[in-house]
Amino acid sequence: GAVVSQHPSRVICKSGTSVKIECRSLDFQATTMFWYRQFPKKSLMLMATSNEGSKATYEQGVEKDKFLINHASLTLSTLTVTSAHPEDSSFYICSARESGSNQPQHFGDGTRLSIL
Amino acid sequence: TQLLEQSPQFLSIQEGENLTVYCNSSSVFSSLQWYRQEPGEGPVLLVTVVTGGEVKKLKRLTFQFGDARKDSSLHITAAQPGDTGLYLCAGANAGNNRKLIWGLGTSLAVNP
Repeated sequence: GAVVSQHPSRVICKSGTSVKIECRSLDFQATTMFWYRQFPKKSLMLMATSNEGSKATYEQGVEKDKFLINHASLTLSTLTVTSAHPEDSSFYICSARESGSNQPQHFGDGTRLSIL
Repeated sequence: TQLLEQSPQFLSIQEGENLTVYCNSSSVFSSLQWYRQEPGEGPVLLVTVVTGGEVKKLKRLTFQFGDARKDSSLHITAAQPGDTGLYLCAGANAGNNRKLIWGLGTSLAVNP
């Protein structure tokens, strides 16, 4: 159980393109999902917390107009990187958390974004 | 600001050796999770520890939560090449924001 699907797994596109990444909880409902960015062999850096039916909460230093988050249902959150530039190239990972105390986050397999 | 210090950051050992990874904080956590991540994939949950002093075993992996719930350790016995990966600890607080506080990770390489 507790499977999270993230799509696409890899994107290569030109500078200026907007890219949408989807995160789905397949067998549970997630009122809260999280979006992370990760650099090679480094830990996860939280970008924002996605709340179903309300605005996302962004971490300090993350541009909300650059990284648009939509959490339209209890099983789907999307991250759109708008007007992407080479410095946005990274590994983006989403996670979803089941309701209840001390429930862990379950992660998607990540999206490797490469901006040329 | 809560911090979770994880050490060592890098570890390269021979097959059959034992190792321990530590996560320490000055803050109390309601639970602590350990994840393992392979290149190009998302982290996979290994264990959640909740109770102070709790010890959990997963085959050759032993996880311990400190009595005060401020620290945790992961011990691997007789490491194998398949144990190679990035190990991450993450502390959770009771409360509504549900964010995890992440350690910096331990990149483990087990050489045959």
